Amino acid sequence: AQSVAQPEDQVNVAEGNPLTVKCTYSVSGNPYLFWYVQYPNRGLQFLLKYITGDNLVKGSYGFEAEFNKSQTSFHLKKPSALVSDSALYFCAVRDLYSGNTGKLIFGQGTTLQVKP
Amino acid sequence: EAQVTQNPRYLITVTGKKLTVTCSQNMNHEYMSWYRQDPGLGLRQIYYSMNVEVTDKGDVPEGYKVSRKEKRNFPLILESPSPNQTSLYFCASSLEATWNTGELFFGEGSRLTVL
Repeated sequence: AQSVAQPEDQVNVAEGNPLTVKCTYSVSGNPYLFWYVQYPNRGLQFLLKYITGDNLVKGSYGFEAEFNKSQTSFHLKKPSALVSDSALYFCAVRDLYSGNTGKLIFGQGTTLQVKP
Repeated sequence: EAQVTQNPRYLITVTGKKLTVTCSQNMNHEYMSWYRQDPGLGLRQIYYSMNVEVTDKGDVPEGYKVSRKEKRNFPLILESPSPNQTSLYFCASSLEATWNTGELFFGEGSRLTVL
């Protein structure tokens, strides 16, 4: 079965430091991978995706993610964290085995806390 | 402004009292879907709709119904709510051309508590 794991419930980082939010996946075949962000009392917002091509994907708000096929990982990164980056982050993979359902399989989420 | 609108945003109800959570999008999207979010479980798909009058079950459809009579609306119906349906619900939509690349647009969520 396809799955996504975010091994850290929470990541704490000081403002100005680099941040990494980890994601690993398990799929058969080529994965379609995504990151979404959820700010308090808001819906999820799309950040970036990897479908094919360059392993380093750039997205919104200065975030980027690196696809690593050998390690089956898709970690979210940012060179310099901002307090306003504090939010709940979800990694997701498209379910390629459910036909044309458009379904995304989400990880359990990681809370990012950036302290001033 | 392009958006997905859900109502109500917050609701406390009692077991067995039918309720409907409305979802409307103004982007002419063909694909719409409902997810529920529970702590430690991420988001799980309840139902989805590929187009008007085309709906199908997701991973956790038990206790829910949906309808898609118009392209813009996709209501979620709980005929007889139970406490295990206490959750945060999200409606999402996508263009038919892009749904399979996963860029979904989400509503702001509806927090439902069933007593």
